[in-house]
Amino acid sequence: GQNIDQPTEMTATEGAIVQINCTYQTSGFNGLFWYQQHAGEAPTFLSYNVLDGLEEKGRFSSFLSRSKGYSYLLLKELQMKDSASYLCALSPSGGSYIPTFGRGTSLIVHP
Amino acid sequence: NAGVTQTPKFQVLKTGQSMTLQCAQDMNHEYMSWYRQDPGMGLRLIHYSVGAGITDQGEVPNGYNVSRSTTEDFPLRLLSAAPSQTSVYFCASNQDRVGEQYFGPGTRLTVT
Repeated sequence: GQNIDQPTEMTATEGAIVQINCTYQTSGFNGLFWYQQHAGEAPTFLSYNVLDGLEEKGRFSSFLSRSKGYSYLLLKELQMKDSASYLCALSPSGGSYIPTFGRGTSLIVHP
Repeated sequence: NAGVTQTPKFQVLKTGQSMTLQCAQDMNHEYMSWYRQDPGMGLRLIHYSVGAGITDQGEVPNGYNVSRSTTEDFPLRLLSAAPSQTSVYFCASNQDRVGEQYFGPGTRLTVT
């Protein structure tokens, strides 16, 4: 099975940097996803990490450490529109390969 | 491309009623999934399909049925609605086995 933990809620200031952590316990996985979900909307894909290290995409970066069972999503130059839930998900290495999601972190960006 | 579409957007049912939530995708994706999302619970997998004619159960399948007669369509049937099935239902599809998922806009279901 897979167990994924994320903080429930975080707050940050416009223009700042915030790091959203995701820790997990699993018997094996292909990779780790991050999705963004605005209130009342569907999740949308942000990133996918297979190898250890940092993947950068504009203002968003995602990091994975398999040995530590840990990932984080880094958001730079925060904007009000970044207020959303951020979902961490693992793609299992066997069976269905359908991702298992954490409960999500609600990020509130203040002016 | 319309991507992943879901109907209806909102639905209210009485306990014991049955209904089908529709999901369709026009991206020729092999993999399709149904999730439910409840406050504080994240997305939980109900059923999934790895191709036409092939379906399997996810984490919370009880009370739901699915079928996949075509690549495009993946309907979710509630057999006898219960208040515990009040939730937001998302359908998703992906091309590759470990590829990113594309989600539909969701169906908000209330069972009274």
